[in-house]
Amino acid sequence: AQKITQTQPGMFVQEKEAVTLDCTYDTSDQSYGLFWYKQPSSGEMIFLIYQGSYDEQNATEGRYSLNFQKARKSANLVISASQLGDSAMYFCAMREGKVQGAQKLVFGQGTRLTINP
Amino acid sequence: ETGVTQSPTHLIKTRGQQVTLRCSSQSGHNTVSWYQQALGQGPQFIFQYYREEENGRGNFPPRFSGLQFPNYSSELNVNALELDDSALYLCASSLAWQYTDTQYFGPGTRLTVL
Repeated sequence: AQKITQTQPGMFVQEKEAVTLDCTYDTSDQSYGLFWYKQPSSGEMIFLIYQGSYDEQNATEGRYSLNFQKARKSANLVISASQLGDSAMYFCAMREGKVQGAQKLVFGQGTRLTINP
Repeated sequence: ETGVTQSPTHLIKTRGQQVTLRCSSQSGHNTVSWYQQALGQGPQFIFQYYREEENGRGNFPPRFSGLQFPNYSSELNVNALELDDSALYLCASSLAWQYTDTQYFGPGTRLTVL
């Protein structure tokens, strides 16, 4: 069964510093997608970045990059030059490429990131 | 803004009642998934609809049911509400059902069961 583990319940970072949020996953499938979402206190889940299991390059989206280490089954999110608006819950999630049935998102427990001025 | 909308924003019900939550998917998206997020937890998958058919379900009892309409909007119905049903309910739409398709979430409906 697919599983996502986020080991950092909370992170505190100074504004303008880079931060790495950890994510490890477990799956027996060869085809899967890894996603990071940001959830501010308002509740909406905001998509940040996607990495496919067959992608050879690490994904990047603006200040966000995903450090994908397939052999170690890790997909860490790196935020460069953090801003006060980055304070939120961050969730790592995975979708397996099943042949039948819904290819659902499975989420980790999340990491609460706080950016200090 | 993702273009995914949900209504209502907040809802208070009593135990035993029934509730209907609504979701409008992003333009061009034919797949809608519903998730339940309890306080302090990650979202849990309830079910997914693809072109008006349920194509997968998570570990939720049958009193959780849904519909998808021809315009791909969707409803989540919960019968016989229990206290543990209090949660944020998130709807997500995607271009299709494959694992490579990003799911875009709406703002959620916060349900409180008293």
